[in-house]
Amino acid sequence: GQQLNQSPQSMFIQEGEDVSMNCTSSSIFNTWLWYKQEPGEGPVLLIALYKAGELTSNGRLTAQFGITRKDSFLNISASIPSDVGIYFCAGLEGGADGLTFGKGTHLIIQP
Amino acid sequence: DSGVTQTPKHLITATGQRVTLRCSPRSGDLSVYWYQQSLDQGLQFLIQYYNGEERAKGNILERFSAQQFPDLHSELNLSSLELGDSALYFCASSSDGGSSTDTQYFGPGTRLTVL
Repeated sequence: GQQLNQSPQSMFIQEGEDVSMNCTSSSIFNTWLWYKQEPGEGPVLLIALYKAGELTSNGRLTAQFGITRKDSFLNISASIPSDVGIYFCAGLEGGADGLTFGKGTHLIIQP
Repeated sequence: DSGVTQTPKHLITATGQRVTLRCSPRSGDLSVYWYQQSLDQGLQFLIQYYNGEERAKGNILERFSAQQFPDLHSELNLSSLELGDSALYFCASSSDGGSSTDTQYFGPGTRLTVL
């Protein structure tokens, strides 16, 4: 099946720093999504991208849908302690289908 | 709160047993998806139902089955459980499930432990 390569696997940063993570795929996706998961909870949708080249922001978060439709990145500016968690990229190939998830980026913020 | 509810929150059982996980989608959503999250495999799509009918299948084992009822809630049945089935099981729902712009919202999950 399809696989998403998400990097980095983990990030240790200082509060206030900017963060960047990305996902690449060997095949094309029609939709890219970014979720955040905290311990004991389900993934929460952060940003949804539907068109190649689309750049979308949600507060301090910005994500882009790559032109080739095979990649996406997520940036977090001026990180704060509540940004801690695991961030997942997910791709949707077609309409009636399940999401393909990356392995996640574990974000740890040192005060 | 996504509006998707799942019960139970935790489930501990023995190998060889059968369990049923329950999911209620967000109000108005017609599609339900089941995912399994484990340390080694990550989040894996299992199966999708739309308005009572199976629509898409992912990496679901033959020992697992699901259904969606007329009131749109869904159940995931896991049988002949093995140690490796221990995982978090998530349900997600979306309004349609037939277009690439249809967003999936996840429930809080059921943590299954097989001893």
